Amino acid sequence: KAGVTQTPRYLIKTRGQQVTLSCSPISGHRSVSWYQQTPGQGLQFLFEYFSETQRNKGNFPGRFSGRQFSNSRSEMNVSTLELGDSALYLCASSGGQPANYGYTFGSGTRLTVV
Amino acid sequence: GENVEQHPSTLSVQEGDSAVIKCTYSDSASNYFPWYKQELGKRPQLIIDIRSNVGEKKDQRIAVTLNKTAKHFSLHITETQPEDSAVYFCAASMWVDSNYQLIWGAGTKLIIKP
Repeated sequence: KAGVTQTPRYLIKTRGQQVTLSCSPISGHRSVSWYQQTPGQGLQFLFEYFSETQRNKGNFPGRFSGRQFSNSRSEMNVSTLELGDSALYLCASSGGQPANYGYTFGSGTRLTVV
Repeated sequence: GENVEQHPSTLSVQEGDSAVIKCTYSDSASNYFPWYKQELGKRPQLIIDIRSNVGEKKDQRIAVTLNKTAKHFSLHITETQPEDSAVYFCAASMWVDSNYQLIWGAGTKLIIKP
């Protein structure tokens, strides 16, 4: 079956702009989580959505937001981009509670802010 | 706060030798411990996991051991090969601010020397 699909793969944006990233989970997976990964850094948890509701949230500013649609597809939005937002953004889906079953990750969207 | 400490941050071993990466967690109630491998430029992928009712689990050249008393778990890779070169992340399930989630270690860069 198809894996976790993220679009676009690469993005270049200017400081101050806003960006929307998209994620389609594995068919049947209702939990979608987002992570930020910067060079040399680990996996920083942004938030998790389940059945269109935000179930968990990490320690990121309010400029980072997300949503989930009825078909489980999810979008992440970053407003007023800063240079420090340059990172690989990974989407991950889970067939159950991620803390009990883990994730399948997508290939990520590499965002560069100039 | 709740956290997972992972050591070492970088590990260099000769091809054919064994590699061991250790993680320590803070919550005695943690019950799920996955390990992910992220090759350069690729997505993190689950390679093995263990639950708190099991002390050891093996899958070919990789194994994970869990010591609940000491609150640590380790990844063992035997007969290392060049394709084992990657960053490895451990994680543990925890309750954080009434949210049940996976908490990640900072990662270990494993280098296999030919």
